[in-house]
Amino acid sequence: EIVMTQSPTTLSVSPGERATLSCRASQSVNSDLAWYQQKPGQAPRLLIYSASSRTTGIPARFSGSGSGTDFTLVVSSLQSEDFAVYYCQQYHRWPQTFGQGTKVEIK
Amino acid sequence: QVQLQESGPGLLKPSETLSVTCAVSGDAVTSSSYYWGFVRQSPEGGLEWIASILHPGNTFYNPSVESRVAISVDPSKNHFSLTLTSVTAADTALYYCRANFFWGQGIRVTVSS
Repeated sequence: EIVMTQSPTTLSVSPGERATLSCRASQSVNSDLAWYQQKPGQAPRLLIYSASSRTTGIPARFSGSGSGTDFTLVVSSLQSEDFAVYYCQQYHRWPQTFGQGTKVEIK
Repeated sequence: QVQLQESGPGLLKPSETLSVTCAVSGDAVTSSSYYWGFVRQSPEGGLEWIASILHPGNTFYNPSVESRVAISVDPSKNHFSLTLTSVTAADTALYYCRANFFWGQGIRVTVSS
């Protein structure tokens, strides 16, 4: 199976600052990569699919990039509602696999 | 937009069979636009894809549970279901149903004697 590795595990950021999250695949997934945001007590919410396409309703401060094995999610100016756990997921090959998550916390 | 709602038992004993049903609204479960599926989240927070189905019958299973799992669609009730046999404490998790990238709210399942 394709192993997804996210870094860092925890990211401490001040409101208004930029957050950069990384996701690496153990083999190429082309652009078949999604990013999710999860807040306590809630289901994961899709932010980005196809590595760089924002889903409906997601603010422009969220952007995704990358292809192959290396991917990045950038939140350009963190708002209070953005502090959460972020997961990447590949859907290029079965079994679909997730990264272990990056927690973005208030500095 | 499709909406999903899980239902099922909250507590099971080891060796029992888990059945989780996902009610679909906003589209037909016979639609070939969606991979209907299940993902679980362990108490530690890790996400694990379990199974998916593309109507009318293409099924995909995680090798980690493939010998114990089945996914099916019931068009008459517009829902789809997951069955997991011989559960152990390791199957304790929050079980989510999914339609492509859309998720239900999840149902907590605990396996304990």
